[in-house]
Amino acid sequence: ETGVTQSPTHLIKTRGQQVTLRCSSQSGHNTVSWYQQALGQGPQFIFQYYREEENGRGNFPPRFSGLQFPNYSSELNVNALELDDSALYLCASSLVGSENYGYTFGSGTRLTVV
Amino acid sequence: GENVEQHPSTLSVQEGDSAVIKCTYSDSASNYFPWYKQELGKRPQLIIDIRSNVGEKKDQRIAVTLNKTAKHFSLHITETQPEDSAVYFCAASKGGNTPLVFGKGTRLSVIA
Repeated sequence: ETGVTQSPTHLIKTRGQQVTLRCSSQSGHNTVSWYQQALGQGPQFIFQYYREEENGRGNFPPRFSGLQFPNYSSELNVNALELDDSALYLCASSLVGSENYGYTFGSGTRLTVV
Repeated sequence: GENVEQHPSTLSVQEGDSAVIKCTYSDSASNYFPWYKQELGKRPQLIIDIRSNVGEKKDQRIAVTLNKTAKHFSLHITETQPEDSAVYFCAASKGGNTPLVFGKGTRLSVIA
């Protein structure tokens, strides 16, 4: 069994650049959700992917976009990076359609925008 | 949409004492309430969860209670140990493929 893995673990980008973060879901899970966790705050929902389509979105601008692939892995893309985008980005996978509502989180990617 | 409030933001207890963290939610349709523990630099780890058809759930030193009428739920940790020191987050969702909405977290410090 494999858990949720994210890459890279740390990243430093310059304001205005673009970034792609990657997530491999837990074996058997079919849904991936992305969260942004600013320092000292709770995770904030960005969006969720199910069956390769966005299936719910939080209060984030369109420059935050994503993809889900047939193997259920996912990418988070952020364009035109701003200083406030500096945060820990967490990916969580789950199995929609089961009685188990549990989410499994990855270790996150810490993004620093300078 | 759902809003989850969590209190207190920080909590210090003596080793062996109990700790209680409380959360309220706004959406009466929410039916799944997990609690996560996050140690510094690590991922959130699910420690216990409860669904709306149950009022209380216990797992060794950890218990969660849910009051659907009042829309609040609480985490109880008994016989606290230094390794319980971490940030704890409550969350709520409507289950299925709806997202988790998190509280802002409680930093628990257990003093030996």
